[in-house]
Amino acid sequence: KNQVEQSPQSLIILEGKNCTLQCNYTVSPFSNLRWYKQDTGRGPVSLTIMTFSENTKSNGRYTATLDADTKQSSLHITASQLSDSASYICVVSFRSYNTDKLIFGTGTRLQVFP
Amino acid sequence: KAGVTQTPRYLIKTRGQQVTLSCSPISGHRSVSWYQQTPGQGLQFLFEYFSETQRNKGNFPGRFSGRQFSNSRSEMNVSTLELGDSALYLCASSPSGTAFGNQPQHFGDGTRLSIL
Repeated sequence: KNQVEQSPQSLIILEGKNCTLQCNYTVSPFSNLRWYKQDTGRGPVSLTIMTFSENTKSNGRYTATLDADTKQSSLHITASQLSDSASYICVVSFRSYNTDKLIFGTGTRLQVFP
Repeated sequence: KAGVTQTPRYLIKTRGQQVTLSCSPISGHRSVSWYQQTPGQGLQFLFEYFSETQRNKGNFPGRFSGRQFSNSRSEMNVSTLELGDSALYLCASSPSGTAFGNQPQHFGDGTRLSIL
């Protein structure tokens, strides 16, 4: 069964600290893997998009990595800020029986405290 | 440049009614996709439109339908509402790429639909 699992479910860190969020997937092969940030009451905002052949992609303090062999992706946040408090969602796009599909992870809820 | 605009922001309906939600994409964007977000199921893809044609559809019953107009604005309709349809409905747009490709999707802030 095609799945995308994120861990941890929730995370609390202090402002200024680094953290890493995990995304494990069973889909193979896939078209791309995306990370989104979703603030409470707002729509998701795209952070990174990685294709199957990419290992790393950065967007400011956010760095996503992809290991296609172990089917794992991680999102590393450097020098966290209060504004990083949000849900982070991993999404995998793939093709099955000539149809494009998306599988969303259930997200990691990050809280950054001063 | 204005972002994706969804109206209304909040809506309350009763079981059995129908509802229409609206999405205005970023100017110049021709691809619009719709998603349902619930606490239990998370985000799920509903359908996608490009140049007034449905390009892809998720695994939702026929009660969920949509359309796109020549100005790229899109509407989704849910008929015979059920309690389980209570959710945040999100729309996203991109210049031309699909919801599955490598172009970033730009999301609106959604319409929160509550079914009583």
